[in-house]
Amino acid sequence: NAGVTQTPKFQVLKTGQSMTLQCAQDMNHNSMYWYRQDPGMGLRLIYYSASEGTTDKGEVPNGYNVSRLNKREFSLRLESAAPSQTSVYFCASSETQGGYGYTFGSGTRLTVV
Amino acid sequence: GENVEQHPSTLSVQEGDSAVIKCTYSDSASNYFPWYKQELGKGPQLIIDIRSNVGEKKDQRIAVTLNKTAKHFSLHITETQPEDSAVYFCAASRDSWGKLQFGAGTQVVVTP
Repeated sequence: NAGVTQTPKFQVLKTGQSMTLQCAQDMNHNSMYWYRQDPGMGLRLIYYSASEGTTDKGEVPNGYNVSRLNKREFSLRLESAAPSQTSVYFCASSETQGGYGYTFGSGTRLTVV
Repeated sequence: GENVEQHPSTLSVQEGDSAVIKCTYSDSASNYFPWYKQELGKGPQLIIDIRSNVGEKKDQRIAVTLNKTAKHFSLHITETQPEDSAVYFCAASRDSWGKLQFGAGTQVVVTP
């Protein structure tokens, strides 16, 4: 019962370094999302993919890029990490683009120093 | 776009007492309102949801109420237990095509 799998679980980067956060789901869901969670700010949408082959910006897309590699995988890339990108990142998936039945991964805790 | 406000930010209750978390939303077209529970070190998990054609929904010790006129909805937890300690998030969306907009979260602490 894997659901949504995120890697890595923890990462420390130096300012200016790049990295890719990986996400894979095994529920045959069409839609996938990347959120960041910061204290007192809830979950904010970075990018989403309504279906394979499409991606769109969310509320806070600056400094990030995404790739929907196939129906299962949706990666988030930081090209030049900044301390403001220190956060916990969550990937989620759902059967449709609507709000129903989001399943979240367990998160990646990223620190940029 | 949609804006969801959630109160309180922290809530401390004695075991066995009730806990209430309240959310307001701005988009009158929103019609789906889920609640998520996040335990330490884990991702949020859906615990209950309500759609706009229903005023109240219960599932054992948890219930959600919706007032569409006032644009607010609430989560009620009765007979709280230590395992209810977690962060709870409300959210809203326009159902079939909208994305979820989350509230800022409520840290609930249940003390024995």
